[in-house]
Amino acid sequence: QKEVEQNSGPLSVPEGAIASLNCTYSDRGSQSFFWYRQYSGKSPELIMSIYSNGDKEDGRFTAQLNKASQYVSLLIRDSQPSDSATYLCAVNLEGYGNKLVFGAGTILRVKS
Amino acid sequence: DGGITQSPKYLFRKEGQNVTLSCEQNLNHDAMYWYRQDPGQGLRLIYYSQIVNDFQKGDIAEGYSVSREKKESFPLTVTSAQKNPTAFYLCASSIRTGDYGYTFGSGTRLTVV
Repeated sequence: QKEVEQNSGPLSVPEGAIASLNCTYSDRGSQSFFWYRQYSGKSPELIMSIYSNGDKEDGRFTAQLNKASQYVSLLIRDSQPSDSATYLCAVNLEGYGNKLVFGAGTILRVKS
Repeated sequence: DGGITQSPKYLFRKEGQNVTLSCEQNLNHDAMYWYRQDPGQGLRLIYYSQIVNDFQKGDIAEGYSVSREKKESFPLTVTSAQKNPTAFYLCASSIRTGDYGYTFGSGTRLTVV
């Protein structure tokens, strides 16, 4: 079992729809969770961080965390073609020396 | 503006040659990391450093070497022992290891010719 798992996609949504990206992790002791956006050929960019159970909203982005289910998600409302990218989930794993472990990423395609 | 600078953006290596990738940050971050990304793949940790003059191997350190003589700088050398070095190399930093997000540089794309 991979430590941080994401569906590779691609996830295709129409412009204006809600895109839902999911991530599961293996370490119950994890305390911090991050979502990065990576455009093709570019480096990852941090877009959301979440530390507590529940929802955290920032503009069109909402991160959701459920530690009991070891599940973190990212919702993108009113999806735009410019949101088309690979989204990486990253989890701070205690068993990995308190470093971030990255999922392989989910490709999102927003069609106009 | 604070950030991480990686150079060069593109690098070509001949077989049997060592090359060094530069990474400089002015964020006053203690921790720095090197990752490798292959097409369609996730990020794999090569080396990391939590403090000056100290560094640890990551998951795929064979064929690579690093140094951390200054807080701002964490260069990566890809040696001739690395048999498949063609990849996108990313340098990152964080305030410390722990519950902090990483800031990434723009990356170096290395190709063996």
